[in-house]
Amino acid sequence: DAMVIQNPRYQVTQFGKPVTLSCSQTLNHNVMYWYQQKSSQAPKLLFHYYDKDFNNEADTPDNFQSRRPNTSFCFLDIRSPGLGDAAMYLCATSRDLGDNEKLFFGSGTQLSVL
Amino acid sequence: RKEVEQDPGPFNVPEGATVAFNCTYSNSASQSFFWYRQDCRKEPKLLMSVYSSGNEDGRFTAQLNRASQYISLLIRDSKLSDSATYLCVVKGSSNTGKLIFGQGTTLQVKP
Repeated sequence: DAMVIQNPRYQVTQFGKPVTLSCSQTLNHNVMYWYQQKSSQAPKLLFHYYDKDFNNEADTPDNFQSRRPNTSFCFLDIRSPGLGDAAMYLCATSRDLGDNEKLFFGSGTQLSVL
Repeated sequence: RKEVEQDPGPFNVPEGATVAFNCTYSNSASQSFFWYRQDCRKEPKLLMSVYSSGNEDGRFTAQLNRASQYISLLIRDSKLSDSATYLCVVKGSSNTGKLIFGQGTTLQVKP
């Protein structure tokens, strides 16, 4: 059974039209992450939550926001998607922030911007 | 300079071959190291952690060289199913949980 679930698998939006990607987990992990991965590039961390504490990466554009209403759910909001925001968005969790904590990834949402 | 660098490949090898990938990292204070595997259009999955003493898991061997700041992954007796992109992942020195991914090295095993 999937432990980190992302919906939808594929998302198409229009240039400038707000879009929300969702992620849920059944692992009861403290930490939830959002990564952006463009074709043939490394996954890039956008932000993460430790419990309710939000941690934004310094180079994450303001266009990207996140919400974590409870332990199980985390959302990625793109306020005004541009063509350059087309990418795979990966949600991941980890139990905690220790050195050897492993990440558990969802299957990703492939976002297209028309 | 990228924080984690890998040769993107692709590496094309015949079945049964032994292949090795290297990865270099820039932050000498990095504490934890991993190899993840990513299939086309799928999510990354943990392949193995990399320990200072080196570690082996079946046909896969990972090694860490802190002095030269590189990590290696050796795959013996390659299978067709090993075809994938292998991501080198490094965790920084602070307890922030931030994992830094390399671009990945693509392996294609041919019959």
